Amino acid sequence: EIVLTQSPGTLPLSPGERATLSCRASQSVRNAYLAWYQQKPGQAPRLLIYGASSRASSIPDRFSGSGSGTDFTLTVSRLEPEDFAVYYCQQYGSSPFTFGQGTKLEIK
Amino acid sequence: QLQLQESGPGLVKPSETLSLTCTVSGESVTSYYWSWIRQPPGEGLEWIGYIYYSGNTNNNPSLKSRVTMSVDTSKNQFSLKLNSVTAADTAVYYCARHLRAHGYFYDAFDIWGRGTMVTVSS
Repeated sequence: EIVLTQSPGTLPLSPGERATLSCRASQSVRNAYLAWYQQKPGQAPRLLIYGASSRASSIPDRFSGSGSGTDFTLTVSRLEPEDFAVYYCQQYGSSPFTFGQGTKLEIK
Repeated sequence: QLQLQESGPGLVKPSETLSLTCTVSGESVTSYYWSWIRQPPGEGLEWIGYIYYSGNTNNNPSLKSRVTMSVDTSKNQFSLKLNSVTAADTAVYYCARHLRAHGYFYDAFDIWGRGTMVTVSS
């Protein structure tokens, strides 16, 4: 099973700033099958990025993903108030599909 | 517009079977792969397993052989059964659709239900 470790655990930033979230895998993720989700309190996760760098439907272009192998990054270029939430990475290169423990993006 | 709705008992006794159904609206259940994912209170996400209408399934080994999934095409639903539950199975349970892009299915999840809280307690 591939273990995903996200850092930092909490990221305090202000609206307008740039956010960089990391996801590291315990072994290489096949074909960079790595997704990112956003989850707000009381809501289901929302798919942002798949294939490490492809934006899902209707996702603003301030969200971008990069990486390969074991190291992946989600960047939010300019934070909007609605972007403060918990973010999870997920690998789907090998079964069982696994999620990271999450990064909480909070308002400073 | 595609919608997923989970339904089932909110309280299950220890050692009994948790049974949930996901009703698919706005799309045929035969058109995609479907998964169950859970989230214990205050914790992260755990993939439980997926099913295709043909009967093709894949489960998370962490749940050993406690999981059974099925599809009812006549009702446009799919279901989850988890037997021998304990307090560790207390969670919000989500059903979700697998992403289809460029003509291929991927094991990322682009549409989710709102989730249903299941508590295991006597």
